[in-house]
Amino acid sequence: AQTVTQSQPEMSVQEAETVTLSCTYDTSESDYYLFWYKQPPSRQMILVIRQEAYKQQNATENRFSVNFQKAAKSFSLKISDSQLGDAAMYFCAYTPSGTYKYIFGTGTRLKVLA
Amino acid sequence: DAMVIQNPRYQVTQFGKPVTLSCSQTLNHNVMYWYQQKSSQAPKLLFHYYDKDFNNEADTPDNFQSRRPNTSFCFLDIRSPGLGDAAMYLCATSRKRTANSPLHFGNGTRLTVT
Repeated sequence: AQTVTQSQPEMSVQEAETVTLSCTYDTSESDYYLFWYKQPPSRQMILVIRQEAYKQQNATENRFSVNFQKAAKSFSLKISDSQLGDAAMYFCAYTPSGTYKYIFGTGTRLKVLA
Repeated sequence: DAMVIQNPRYQVTQFGKPVTLSCSQTLNHNVMYWYQQKSSQAPKLLFHYYDKDFNNEADTPDNFQSRRPNTSFCFLDIRSPGLGDAAMYLCATSRKRTANSPLHFGNGTRLTVT
């Protein structure tokens, strides 16, 4: 079965510091997409970053970057220079190529301390 | 701004009393999804529309129905809500029904069943 595991229910980071959120997944597929979505309190979930499995280069979006380890089935999110606005629930998600069905993890709640 | 709008933000209904949640989008996306998100759990796909084509997930209870009268609107009907149906309901859209087409979410409707 395809699963996504986020082992850290909650994380804290000091403002301006760096934090890494972990995500592992289980699949027998070779071609798929991985995503990190952010859900701020009382606000809509938005896409942070995505990675295509066939691309070896790690995706980056400004202060957000991923460490994609395909063999280890690991997809962690690094947030650099953390800001108060980064406080949110972060969901890791997986979808095999050729389908539309997202499989989400249970989320990691990130707190940013001033 | 193009967006996904869900109404109401909070909905309280009585056990067994039918309730309808609404979603509208100005993105002109072909695909609309309904997810159920319970506390500390991953969002769970209930069903989706690809244009007018309705697709029900195998494990979605019969108690849940959906309507999409036009491209812009989609409704979630819960015919006889039970206490276990209390959750956040998320509407999302995507331009295509493909793995690399990211989801655009609304703010969600939090349903309470008394």
